[in-house]
Amino acid sequence: DAKTTQPPSMDCAEGRAANLPCNHSTISGNEYVYWYRQIHSQGPQYIIHGLKNNETNEMASLIITEDRKSSTLILPHATLRDTAVYYCIVRSGYGNKLVFGAGTILRVKS
Amino acid sequence: NAGVTQTPKFRILKIGQSMTLQCTQDMNHNYMYWYRQDPGMGLKLIYYSVGAGITDKGEVPNGYNVSRSTTEDFPLRLELAAPSQTSVYFCASSYSNRGTDTQYFGPGTRLTVL
Repeated sequence: DAKTTQPPSMDCAEGRAANLPCNHSTISGNEYVYWYRQIHSQGPQYIIHGLKNNETNEMASLIITEDRKSSTLILPHATLRDTAVYYCIVRSGYGNKLVFGAGTILRVKS
Repeated sequence: NAGVTQTPKFRILKIGQSMTLQCTQDMNHNYMYWYRQDPGMGLKLIYYSVGAGITDKGEVPNGYNVSRSTTEDFPLRLELAAPSQTSVYFCASSYSNRGTDTQYFGPGTRLTVL
């Protein structure tokens, strides 16, 4: 599975959009981009995933560049409860494991 | 649905003791996983199972054993606890191993070995 690079931490004002970047320059054609988050002491929570098209669900939007070498997770109106570690994971079409890196610590501040 | 449940939530072991971490899912998922997370680090896969009776090693299997006698349960066994096994353990499940399938995680078991 391709390796990902994320900034170690980011701050965001409450109510504003949080844009979390992820680089995955070695991604291959059958690999998906997944985002999970982990709120303190809890199990990871699935947010969204995509292959090459932009995706949106009730939690977030995922924007994948045309060359698929990077992506951005967007939380449109961040709240204090969105403070968490966000993991960007690239996973092959058939893979048994999620490879978690260090992720990005997002701090939402009032 | 309760999703993925884990017991116990916390446990302190002495070096050399053994214990079993329990994991149960009620989503009829075929695939189940055990991860460990050390402080400040990402999760690492210990073992996984693709169905009842079938298990395989992940990245860090040494010191652990698993079994999968039913679809619902996937216990993790520590035979001779060591301080290096102090960690938070997460169980997860998914319907399949396809890239489009989501893994759902339990709340974790925090284990300390002294």
